[in-house]
Amino acid sequence: KQEVTQIPAALSVPEGENLVLNCSFTDSAIYNLQWFRQDPGKGLTSLLLIQSSQREQTSGRLNASLDKSSGRSTLYIAASQPGDSATYLCAVRGGGSNYKLTFGKGTLLTVNP
Amino acid sequence: GAVVSQHPSWVICKSGTSVKIECRSLDFQATTMFWYRQFPKQSLMLMATSNEGSKATYEQGVEKDKFLINHASLTLSTLTVTSAHPEDSSFYICSAPRDSSNTEAFFGQGTRLTVV
Repeated sequence: KQEVTQIPAALSVPEGENLVLNCSFTDSAIYNLQWFRQDPGKGLTSLLLIQSSQREQTSGRLNASLDKSSGRSTLYIAASQPGDSATYLCAVRGGGSNYKLTFGKGTLLTVNP
Repeated sequence: GAVVSQHPSWVICKSGTSVKIECRSLDFQATTMFWYRQFPKQSLMLMATSNEGSKATYEQGVEKDKFLINHASLTLSTLTVTSAHPEDSSFYICSAPRDSSNTEAFFGQGTRLTVV
């Protein structure tokens, strides 16, 4: 059974800092990995999708890497801003014909002005 | 990105009543949609897979008679919580993949259900 772990559970940084969020998964036979952002009481916004054959994806100040063999992914946020404050969720999709995602519990990020 | 719309965003109901939550894919067709439940400070847990034109597939431990799922069209899936109890209070979120090759998942805004 796939298990996804995110470290740290919470992170508080001053504005402008670069930061790294970590995600690990127990079964390396994944189809893809997706990072999401969730604001309090809201749904999920897709940030980056990394296919299993890819090593990284970039979007603006965000960069996500994937090391499938070691079961790890990182989300790098450059020059953090207060508007980046949210919960960041990592999810992996297993192989096969279904679209089931297994989620981590998330990292609650607070960026202080 | 693709848009998935969920309605209502919040609902309060009395114990014993039923509540229907709608999930629509606005700019693409979704033969499959997913329903998740999220408790405070917890991960999203998959409840069931909604399949257009056929029965939903429920995860282990999810009561199919309590959480009725209907996927009558390629753009709409509904989740009905029947005979709701306070312990059903939670955040429910739907998801749909835009296409089979991309498999990027897009989520609705979520529905906060409070049963009093």
